[in-house]
Amino acid sequence: EDQVTQSPEALRLQEGESSSLNCSYTVSGLRGLFWYRQDPGKGPEFLFTLYSAGEEKEKERLKATLTKKESFLHITAPKPEDSATYLCAVPSSSGSRLTFGEGTQLTVNP
Amino acid sequence: DAGVIQSPRHEVTEMGQEVTLRCKPISGHDYLFWYRQTMMRGLELLIYFNNNVPIDDSGMPEDRFSAKMPNASFSTLKIQPSEPRDSAVYFCASSLGRDTGELFFGEGSRLTVL
Repeated sequence: EDQVTQSPEALRLQEGESSSLNCSYTVSGLRGLFWYRQDPGKGPEFLFTLYSAGEEKEKERLKATLTKKESFLHITAPKPEDSATYLCAVPSSSGSRLTFGEGTQLTVNP
Repeated sequence: DAGVIQSPRHEVTEMGQEVTLRCKPISGHDYLFWYRQTMMRGLELLIYFNNNVPIDDSGMPEDRFSAKMPNASFSTLKIQPSEPRDSAVYFCASSLGRDTGELFFGEGSRLTVL
């Protein structure tokens, strides 16, 4: 059974304090790993797709990386507007079912 | 495009009542997904459609839940009869193509069953 585990559950940072979120996965034949951002009262919003170990994607203060067993979402010099829940997800072998992790709730204080 | 549109945004009902949630996907998207989000279980896939045809409903919790997609621009998720444990946020999402993990989510329907 596909499993996705995210850590930490919650992370509180000061503005400008860089850190990383972790997403570890157990799937048979990875067909991609996806990062989403979810703001309170909103649906998840797609951020990145990673397909192979060693791949990196960047968007503003966010950088996602992928190894054979886990992915990291690095946040450099975060701002309060980066506060959100960050979710990672992996597709099933059929490609159409996404299994989501529980998410990391990030709070960035000014 | 206005994105995925869901209604109602909030629904409060009493146990035993029928609940119908509605979704309009992004035009041109051929996949539509219904997810449920709770604190305890996170985001769970209930059912998804491809070209209006249900493909995988293994996530539907029980027979009280049913979903339809009569055309490419409309889908419903119905719960009859509703129970307090059905209280959750229900999301509809659409995507273009099978192998993309880029889902476009609506803002969700928050259901409270008393």
